[in-house]
Amino acid sequence: DIQMTQSPSSLSASVGDRVTITCRASQGINTYLAWFQQKPGKAPKSLIYDASSLQSGVPSNFRGSGSGTQFTLTITSLQPEDFATYYCQQYNSYPITFGQGTRLEIK
Amino acid sequence: EVQLLESGGGFVQPGGSLRLSCAASGFTFSSYGMIWVRQAPGKGLEWVSVINGAGDRTNYADSVKGRFTMSRDNSKSTLSLYLNNLRVEDTAVYFCAKGMTGWTNKIDSWGQGTLVTVSS
Repeated sequence: DIQMTQSPSSLSASVGDRVTITCRASQGINTYLAWFQQKPGKAPKSLIYDASSLQSGVPSNFRGSGSGTQFTLTITSLQPEDFATYYCQQYNSYPITFGQGTRLEIK
Repeated sequence: EVQLLESGGGFVQPGGSLRLSCAASGFTFSSYGMIWVRQAPGKGLEWVSVINGAGDRTNYADSVKGRFTMSRDNSKSTLSLYLNNLRVEDTAVYFCAKGMTGWTNKIDSWGQGTLVTVSS
């Protein structure tokens, strides 16, 4: 199985900050990676697919990059609604696996 | 607008069965693969299964293989997940999700989820 490891597991930031979340795959997954945002008690929301493509309707302050085994999600200029938990997912091979999540909290 | 509405969750004893449904609207249902993802209380996301648009190809996580069956009725735009021989560790919110092509685990939309509780 491909293990997806996110770092950090949690971080605190302020409105207006730039934050970066890293996702590392235990083996190469090309660019078959997605990012999701989830708020407490809510369904996940799709943000990015194919490592760097923005889903429709997602603000442009979300950016994804990377390929192979190292990926990043960058949120430029944090907004109040961006505080949530973020997950990466690989869909390169079965079983499909998710990272453990990164909780982004308000400082 | 894509809408996915799950139903069928509930409380069941270990060894019991449930059928989850996901009613889809706002897109051509038969053209897209569909995925189930679950989330145990306080835990992260876990992929469960996928089905292609035609409904003739599926794949399952090892943790549910042989116990869960995914199917779809394209005439009714409905997705189903049959959960058999349930275990305490199957307790989770089950989300249905829409794939971005006919056979994919690349997700663009999610339902609100339905809670399955397995307990004696």
